[in-house]
Amino acid sequence: GQNIDQPTEMTATEGAIVQINCTYQTSGFNGLFWYQQHAGEAPTFLSYNVLDGLEEKGRFSSFLSRSKGYSYLLLKELQMKDSASYLCAVPYNQGGKLIFGQGTELSVKP
Amino acid sequence: DAGVTQSPTHLIKTRGQQVTLRCSPKSGHDTVSWYQQALGQGPQFIFQYYEEEERQRGNFPDRFSGHQFPNYSSELNVNALLLGDSALYLCASSLVGSPGDEQYFGPGTRLTVT
Repeated sequence: GQNIDQPTEMTATEGAIVQINCTYQTSGFNGLFWYQQHAGEAPTFLSYNVLDGLEEKGRFSSFLSRSKGYSYLLLKELQMKDSASYLCAVPYNQGGKLIFGQGTELSVKP
Repeated sequence: DAGVTQSPTHLIKTRGQQVTLRCSPKSGHDTVSWYQQALGQGPQFIFQYYEEEERQRGNFPDRFSGHQFPNYSSELNVNALLLGDSALYLCASSLVGSPGDEQYFGPGTRLTVT
């Protein structure tokens, strides 16, 4: 079966760096997605990792270790607008349904 | 380039009633997936449509049904509404064969069942 775990809540200070972890168990692996979701809005795509290593995209980076079933999202130079829920998701199969974690609610404080 | 659109934005229904939610995919996309998101939870997969057929289904009862039209738009129907069906319903579209088959989400329909 598929199982995804991520922390429920995190708090960080404006300008700081925060790392949001995600562990997963899947019967197969077809990549891992990170989405950002502001309250009452749709999830928006942040990153997709299919190979091990770190991928950097501006202030956001995502890391994947397939052997450990582990990923993290790294947010640098935090801004107040980064306060949101961050969702880790894996495809059940290629092109198929996404299995989401419960989301990590990040609060950025001044 | 129009993104994924959904209608209506908000809806209030009474227990036992039926509801239809609508979704238009992002231009060029051919696959539509529906998700239910309860407050404070991640989205839960309901089903996916491709070439006007249900391709995959999550653990939802038969009260949840759908349809995809030749123009790739889709509907989600829920019969005999229960209080527990109150949630944000998200539609996501994708293109078969694109990297990771990345899914683009619409703004959602907030359904409240009283």
